[in-house]
Formats: sequence, C-alpha cells, structure tokens
Amino acid sequence: DAEITQSPRHKITETGRQVTLACHQTWNHNNMFWYRQDLGHGLRLIHYSYGVQDTNKGEVSDGYSVSRSNTEDLPLTLESAASSQTSVYFCASSKQTGGLDTQYFGPGTRLTVL
Amino acid sequence: GENVEQHPSTLSVQEGDSAVIKCTYSDSASNYFPWYKQELGKGPQLIIDIRSNVGEKKDQRIAVTLNKTAKHFSLHITETQPEDSAVYFCAALRRGGSGNTGKLIFGQGTTLQVKP
Repeated sequence: DAEITQSPRHKITETGRQVTLACHQTWNHNNMFWYRQDLGHGLRLIHYSYGVQDTNKGEVSDGYSVSRSNTEDLPLTLESAASSQTSVYFCASSKQTGGLDTQYFGPGTRLTVL
Repeated sequence: GENVEQHPSTLSVQEGDSAVIKCTYSDSASNYFPWYKQELGKGPQLIIDIRSNVGEKKDQRIAVTLNKTAKHFSLHITETQPEDSAVYFCAALRRGGSGNTGKLIFGQGTTLQVKP
C-alpha cells in the first residue's frame, strides 16, 4: 500500500549540530509539507513544496531548510540545532497541483535538542 | 493572513453522549475545512472535510457544519465511544486565485476524553 514514512522516529541531538529528518511518500503526490507540533500551538507550517525543485517557506521557517530532488522525498534540515527546535515534526503530502487538496500525514519524528 | 481559533481545548463526555468542537476562521477567502483526529504517538488522520459550497456533511457518527457568514465551522460526534478519545484539530485552507499558497492553518486542538 502507498504510504508516507518518516525517519528517524526519535532523535536526540546537541545544540549546534546539523540534523536531517527524512520524509518519503509512495503516493506520487506533487505536494509535500513539513510541520512542527508544540503544546498550545497546534501544527505550524515550516516549509512546503509543490513539486521537484520547488520549495517555499512557511510561517516558522527560520533555522530550517528543505530540498526536493525527486517526487518521493522532502528531507528537512536543521542547520544548527537549537533547544527551541525541540518538537514533534510531521511530514504531509497531497496530490492536487497547487497544494489544494487533502493532506495526509506521516507518523512523526520526536526531536530533542539538548 | 488566516487565523483559526478552536474551542474548547479539552472536552470530557460520557460514552453515548454527543461532543461538539467549534472553530472560527478569519479569512473569508478560505474555502476548504478539514478535521483531523490524532491518537497518541501517531500523525493526524483526516476524518471529515467540508468545502465552502456545502453547509453540512455527515459520515456515520461524525458531521461537520459550516457557517460562512459567521466564519465558523463545527465538528459533531454522536454516540461517542471510548475509541473516539483523541486530539482533534480543525484547519482552514485558502484555495484558488493569485497569491494563493494553498496552506492549511490549524486550530490549537481539542483533547476529547470519552468516559466509559
């Protein structure tokens, strides 16, 4: 069955280190998204992509970057991890052009920055 | 930009009772409103959605209503069961037109507890 996966599921790192979180979907969806989830804030959009080589900033993009070299993957990189980036990260994808349809979420990655 | 407010933040009901969660949005151009259920340790799962040209939509025990004039929408769960216990998120998305980013803006979430 088609699905969306994230790895690792749990990660502990130190302040200042570069961290990359993987997201892989097998639905052949054009659109992919990264969110972070924090208590009291719900889900906030970090970055998104509407297709290969396309990336866009969301509402909380500072300190994060993404790249889209193929349809299936949208890795999220924390250039220099900070304690404020301790959170649960969710990747999502949707099929319609322009990001205009239902988003399906992965299982999440819990990141702790010490 | 769009802002979505969700209430209540926590809701406790007895099994068999109904539960209602309400959301308001600020951008009148928003035209798609999904509801997600998130169980512990899992990602959000879509349970129902509604588009702005529809006032109500039902799927078994779940229904969503939309009032475009007042800019609010609600999730209704009837005959609640213990397995309905989870965190529920509403969201709003602006579609179409120039400058559209197609971004989902989420409410803060409601923790629903269904007591057996």
